Amino acid sequence: GAVVSQHPSRVICKSGTSVKIECRSLDFQATTMFWYRQFPKKSLMLMATSNEGSKATYEQGVEKDKFLINHASLTLSTLTVTSAHPEDSSFYICSARKRIQDREEAFFGQGTRLTVV
Amino acid sequence: AQSVTQPDIHITVSEGASLELRCNYSYGATPYLFWYVQSPGQGLQLLLKYFSGDTLVQGIKGFEAEFKRSQSSFNLRKPSVHWSDAAEYFCAVAKRNAGNMLTFGGGTRLMVKP
Repeated sequence: GAVVSQHPSRVICKSGTSVKIECRSLDFQATTMFWYRQFPKKSLMLMATSNEGSKATYEQGVEKDKFLINHASLTLSTLTVTSAHPEDSSFYICSARKRIQDREEAFFGQGTRLTVV
Repeated sequence: AQSVTQPDIHITVSEGASLELRCNYSYGATPYLFWYVQSPGQGLQLLLKYFSGDTLVQGIKGFEAEFKRSQSSFNLRKPSVHWSDAAEYFCAVAKRNAGNMLTFGGGTRLMVKP
């Protein structure tokens, strides 16, 4: 199997605080994970590519100092929303890449609903 | 740059009726193609995928999709919809040999009438 677990599933935080979201590949090692953000009634937008042991690659328009990504091990990537503001409220989803036969497939976590009050 | 278009934002069908959700992509070559379903407040579940070979792909929950190269389309179909199929459906593409970084369509919200 290929299971990706995200934690927490829901979080409410005060404006100005930081929130950490974890993405774990439970039964495989993932050198690459992806972080997506989904606005209400919108599609998923890729925020960044997280590479184990190196710096994340951010998409255009995504503030890397705002959204800190750490991929310290082959099974864990974290996204930290720093100094959160209400406009950061969103649904964040990670995916982990797994090699299956001659290609790589993405497996998604269940998502994290962040509400900043 | 590749893009994915799902022309229908909302679709309502009666339970038991057939369903087709449209997806068109823009890309210089044939990408990998995917359909995902998302229930409210949940993550994404893969319904089916196309990499190569037979252009009619069978997925889970009775869904299928057909890749039509000439139309750059990958429409999702189901012959008989169940009330539990109500959800948001996303078509996605990935460049071949690009690490499966997905580009998603805007999504189609499916509502099922009793």
